Amino acid sequence: AQRVTQPEKLLSVFKGAPVELKCNYSYSGSPELFWYVQYSRQRLQLLLRHISRESIKGFTADLNKGETSFHLKKPFAQEEDSAMYYCALLKSGAGKSTFGDGTTLTVKP
Amino acid sequence: GAVVSQHPSWVICKSGTSVKIECRSLDFQATTMFWYRQFPKQSLMLMATSNEGSKATYEQGVEKDKFLINHASLTLSTLTVTSAHPEDSSFYICSATPSSGTDTQYFGPGTRLTVL
Repeated sequence: AQRVTQPEKLLSVFKGAPVELKCNYSYSGSPELFWYVQYSRQRLQLLLRHISRESIKGFTADLNKGETSFHLKKPFAQEEDSAMYYCALLKSGAGKSTFGDGTTLTVKP
Repeated sequence: GAVVSQHPSWVICKSGTSVKIECRSLDFQATTMFWYRQFPKQSLMLMATSNEGSKATYEQGVEKDKFLINHASLTLSTLTVTSAHPEDSSFYICSATPSSGTDTQYFGPGTRLTVL
């Protein structure tokens, strides 16, 4: 069965510092991974997906199949990045995703 | 962009009553919608996959007779919590995947259910 693990429930960094939110997965098939973000009092929204290999709001994530990881990174965190971040794995063919437990990122001024 | 709405945004009901939550895709058609449950500061737990025109697929451990799902059209799925009890109090979130082929999920804002 597929599983997504986000080892850190809480992460706190200072503004301007680099940030990395960890995500590890287990899946026997070819993984398709996503990062979703939920800002305070807002709905969950897609941040980025690995197949598009794009940078959104300065965030990037690289799929490392050897380490089965999809860590989210940003070189210089901003206060507005404070939010809940979820890593998710899409089960191919089924259309449904498995979510990690989420990491609450707090960027302090 | 694609928008998903949920109604109501919050509801309080008495134990034993039934509550219906609607999920609508406003500007796209969705063959598939998903219903999640989210506990405070916890992850989203997939409850079921709602398929237009057919029966929903429930995840293991989710009672299909308690959580009735109807996906009557390509833009509307409903979740009815039957004979609600306090332990059903939670935040229910739906998401929809466009029928156009992309597998991106668009999430609704969620519905806060409180059962007294």
